[in-house]
Amino acid sequence: EDKVVQSPLSLVVHEGDTVTLNCSYEVTNFRSLLWYKQEKKAPTFLFMLTSSGIEKKSGRLSSILDKKELFSILNITATQTGDSAVYLCAASPLNRDDKIIFGKGTRLHILP
Amino acid sequence: GAGVSQSPSNKVTEKGKDVELRCDPISGHTALYWYRQSLGQGLEFLIYFQGNSAPDKSGLPSDRFSAERTGGSVSTLTIQRTQQEDSAVYLCASSLASTSNQPQHFGDGTRLSIL
Repeated sequence: EDKVVQSPLSLVVHEGDTVTLNCSYEVTNFRSLLWYKQEKKAPTFLFMLTSSGIEKKSGRLSSILDKKELFSILNITATQTGDSAVYLCAASPLNRDDKIIFGKGTRLHILP
Repeated sequence: GAGVSQSPSNKVTEKGKDVELRCDPISGHTALYWYRQSLGQGLEFLIYFQGNSAPDKSGLPSDRFSAERTGGSVSTLTIQRTQQEDSAVYLCASSLASTSNQPQHFGDGTRLSIL
């Protein structure tokens, strides 16, 4: 059965710390891995990764995919209180957009 | 529109009533998805539309759930004879054609509470 597992489920750190969020996946005919940030309401898109070893970066956030070991990490450096959110990871199979599988998310809380 | 719009934003109803949730996707997005998110849980896939057709309805939790999309745009998710376990946030997302490998854009969701 296809699945996406995120860890840790929750994380509390102090402002300024660096955090690494993990996502492992088992998806038949894997195509891409996506990261979303969900604050109060709608998840907002962060990254889509399709190739191994190529880091995607946006400000203090970065992500990389390892297709051999079937995992991805999301790094946030110099965390700020506005980074507090649930971070969702999803895996998309080839030609089956109805089968995008989401993990349960990592709830990140940044203490001031 | 500028983003995915869902209505109502909140719905409180009594057990046994029917509810209808609406999703207006981003203009030009042909793929539309419904998900359910219970407290502390990830997103549970419900149904996906490509245009007006729904190739796979197997994600719908029971036959009390149905969805339709007409005109390739607005979609409605209907829950009949609601039960307390239907309480959740129902999220809608849209994307460009499903073959384009584009990320989904989500609405703010409808928070459904069944008393």
